Amino acid sequence: AQKVTQAQTEISVVEKEDVTLDCVYETRDTTYYLFWYKQPPSGELVFLIRRNSFDEQNEISGRYSWNFQKSTSSFNFTITASQVVDSAVYFCALSGFFSGNTPLVFGKGTRLSVIA
Amino acid sequence: SQTIHQWPATLVQPVGSPLSLECTVEGTSNPNLYWYRQAAGRGLQLLFYSVGIGQISSEVPQNLSASRPQDRQFILSSKKLLLSDSGFYLCAWSVLAGGLDTQYFGPGTRLTVL
Repeated sequence: AQKVTQAQTEISVVEKEDVTLDCVYETRDTTYYLFWYKQPPSGELVFLIRRNSFDEQNEISGRYSWNFQKSTSSFNFTITASQVVDSAVYFCALSGFFSGNTPLVFGKGTRLSVIA
Repeated sequence: SQTIHQWPATLVQPVGSPLSLECTVEGTSNPNLYWYRQAAGRGLQLLFYSVGIGQISSEVPQNLSASRPQDRQFILSSKKLLLSDSGFYLCAWSVLAGGLDTQYFGPGTRLTVL
């Protein structure tokens, strides 16, 4: 069975601090994909990133960076120089190699509050 | 580009009343479609998904049902709402390509059952 654990329920940081959101996953698949989504107060889930299990290169996009470590089954998300607009709930998710009937498995989310 | 619409945005319904939430996708063909529910303070629970017209898979037994009458239309229904049906309902779409299936979400419907 697939499982995603986001142990941090809530995090508060002061603006301009760096913050890392943890994600640990479990799967028996050899090929799989990992995702991060952002849910701002408006409620819509916004897709941030997708990584496949063959590519362990870290990725950076502006103030966002992702650290994928297969050895520890982790896919952590770091926000550098956090801003108030980063306040949201962040979800990590996992999927297998799709055959058209394998849905996403989500973690329970981490609520990030950035205080001005 | 693809867009996904959900309506209504908010809904307040009495217990025992029927429900119909609609989701439509534009700009793509034969998408996979999904209904999720997010209860207050909780994570996302997959309710239904569909890989084609008339094909519905249910993930959890419940008071709700789903239908897909057209390729890009997904409807969530109930004959009699329960208090426990309150929550934030999200529709998502994806297109399978090379084994990869990224889901994109709609704006959601906030349902309150009184």
